[in-house]
Amino acid sequence: DQQVKQNSPSLSVQEGRISILNCDYTNSMFDYFLWYKKYPAEGPTFLISISSIKDKNEDGRFTVFLNKSAKHLSLHIVPSQPGDSAVYFCAATGGSYIPTFGRGTSLIVHP
Amino acid sequence: DAGVIQSPRHEVTEMGQEVTLRCKPISGHNSLFWYRQTMMRGLELLIYFNNNVPIDDSGMPEDRFSAKMPNASFSTLKIQPSEPRDSAVYFCASKAGPDTQYFGPGTRLTVL
Repeated sequence: DQQVKQNSPSLSVQEGRISILNCDYTNSMFDYFLWYKKYPAEGPTFLISISSIKDKNEDGRFTVFLNKSAKHLSLHIVPSQPGDSAVYFCAATGGSYIPTFGRGTSLIVHP
Repeated sequence: DAGVIQSPRHEVTEMGQEVTLRCKPISGHNSLFWYRQTMMRGLELLIYFNNNVPIDDSGMPEDRFSAKMPNASFSTLKIQPSEPRDSAVYFCASKAGPDTQYFGPGTRLTVL
């Protein structure tokens, strides 16, 4: 049973527009959330994270929003660039610091 | 630092053969993880070690899979005998304490 769900396997966006990637979780013990980015033939790399005590964290063009009551988080990329084309993994951790990953969403940003 | 190093990057083998994947974690990291990535299941945690000791191997699919970490700078994941359904990309990752994980480039395994 997937505890972290990324229900959109792919997303296509025009360059300059906003990309919104969504993630839902079921385990109420999760208190720290991460997004990883993966290019082809490379391993995932850490992008941005958020603690459950916050509802927003921003880093440049990337912002993560957390809605604890809905058990939902989203990653916003503004403006989207062709170099952002990658697979994005949502992950969540509890007290063990061992992340549980979603299946990933493939983002394609068209020039 | 060179990051997490995995070898080989690609492995093609025939069903029934033994496969050994290798990983060198980042120096100073005390936790090491083996993941498998497939289209159907995404990134699955197979096993993780803390200070060279296996902590949780509940993700290991079956007895054909085994992992070792003889010292802080080396780990192996072995599949014996391999089957076509084992075809996937296998990632090794390491981290220090509660920090985020650093992933290696992965080994793409194809079992014919």
